[in-house]
Amino acid sequence: DAKTTQPPSMDCAEGRAANLPCNHSTISGNEYVYWYRQIHSQGPQYIIHGLKNNETNEMASLIITEDRKSSTLILPHATLRDTAVYYCIVTPAGNMLTFGGGTRLMVKP
Amino acid sequence: SAVISQKPSRDICQRGTSLTIQCQVDSQVTMMFWYRQQPGQSLTLIATANQGSEATYESGFVIDKFPISRPNLTFSTLTVSNMSPEDSSIYLCSVEASRDNPYLNYGYTFGSGTRLTVV
Repeated sequence: DAKTTQPPSMDCAEGRAANLPCNHSTISGNEYVYWYRQIHSQGPQYIIHGLKNNETNEMASLIITEDRKSSTLILPHATLRDTAVYYCIVTPAGNMLTFGGGTRLMVKP
Repeated sequence: SAVISQKPSRDICQRGTSLTIQCQVDSQVTMMFWYRQQPGQSLTLIATANQGSEATYESGFVIDKFPISRPNLTFSTLTVSNMSPEDSSIYLCSVEASRDNPYLNYGYTFGSGTRLTVV
């Protein structure tokens, strides 16, 4: 079973920041927080991951709360091509991924 | 990241037949994973395939229905046997992005999937 809770859907205006929340209150000390997205008809794409520190790469930023029970994925300037289902997954490094329902992000012009 | 080539990209099959899906990776990887994504649903792990040993199946999936081969560190196949319309799904393979040090991994890479329709 997935160990994360995400809102089923969100809208975001093009050019604005998209903030996608994820609750993972039962996360263990050795579990990372991974974010993937799946654009229609494609395989999931890795976005970012972190253990306890905030992380940033060319795609997004990941903010993890101090108690690690929740996190937020931030797309700083959402474009129409960011419309996808976003999955938040917690798992130890090297383990298989268990997908929950994800958040369907719709970026609107 | 590893690059995965998955074939076929899509197929329409008659019920009762079998389809073998191939997953080729451009680098050696220890573990390969097979997922199923039913229409409108999230991904569900079918099995984990390690080279030189039998695949490990998740609850609800059995070897007779989904036999898997893993002849070397860059290739795997998943067969969907004795198909019924309920097997219509997207099937995806996935590999770890970095084999050498899992603590430096950058997640997993997925193939583009095989869209299977059983009629």
